[in-house]
Amino acid sequence: AQKITQTQPGMFVQEKEAVTLDCTYDTSDPSYGLFWYKQPSSGEMIFLIYQGSYDQQNATEGRYSLNFQKARKSANLVISASQLGDSAMYFCALMDTGRRALTFGSGTRLQVQP
Amino acid sequence: GAGVSQSPSNKVTEKGKDVELRCDPISGHTALYWYRQRLGQGLEFLIYFQGNSAPDKSGLPSDRFSAERTGESVSTLTIQRTQQEDSAVYLCASSRGDYNSPLHFGNGTRLTVT
Repeated sequence: AQKITQTQPGMFVQEKEAVTLDCTYDTSDPSYGLFWYKQPSSGEMIFLIYQGSYDQQNATEGRYSLNFQKARKSANLVISASQLGDSAMYFCALMDTGRRALTFGSGTRLQVQP
Repeated sequence: GAGVSQSPSNKVTEKGKDVELRCDPISGHTALYWYRQRLGQGLEFLIYFQGNSAPDKSGLPSDRFSAERTGESVSTLTIQRTQQEDSAVYLCASSRGDYNSPLHFGNGTRLTVT
């Protein structure tokens, strides 16, 4: 069975600093994908970044990067140069070939302080 | 269309009434998903369609919940005899259907059962 764990219910970061949001996962399927989504207070779900289980390099998308440690089953999101607009809930999610639906973690609420 | 469209955006209903929620996915996306998000909580998987068939209905909380998809396009989620615990935001998403394809979410339907 799939499982996603986000152990940080809330995080604070100063504007312009970097922050790491933790995510660990569990799946027995060798083929899987890891996704991060942002949910601002408006409620929309915004796709940020994807990492495939066979990808050799860590994924990057602008200020977002994914620290993928396959042996530890962790896929932490790193946001560089935080901005006030980064304040939101962040969800880590997993999809494997056995279950073609995203399983979400419980989320981390990030607050960026000026 | 440009994105996933859901209607209505808000629905207030009396306990015991039936409600129908609609989702219009991104054109060409073969996979369609329904999730539920209670206030302050994470996303709870309900059901997933590949084409018009539903290989995974494991998340439907009770037999009061049903969903269908026609023409590999529009989907409706029906909740019969609504209860107060059904109050939540119901999110629809679509994707290309591969395990490495991100889900694109609609803005959700906020259901309030009084």
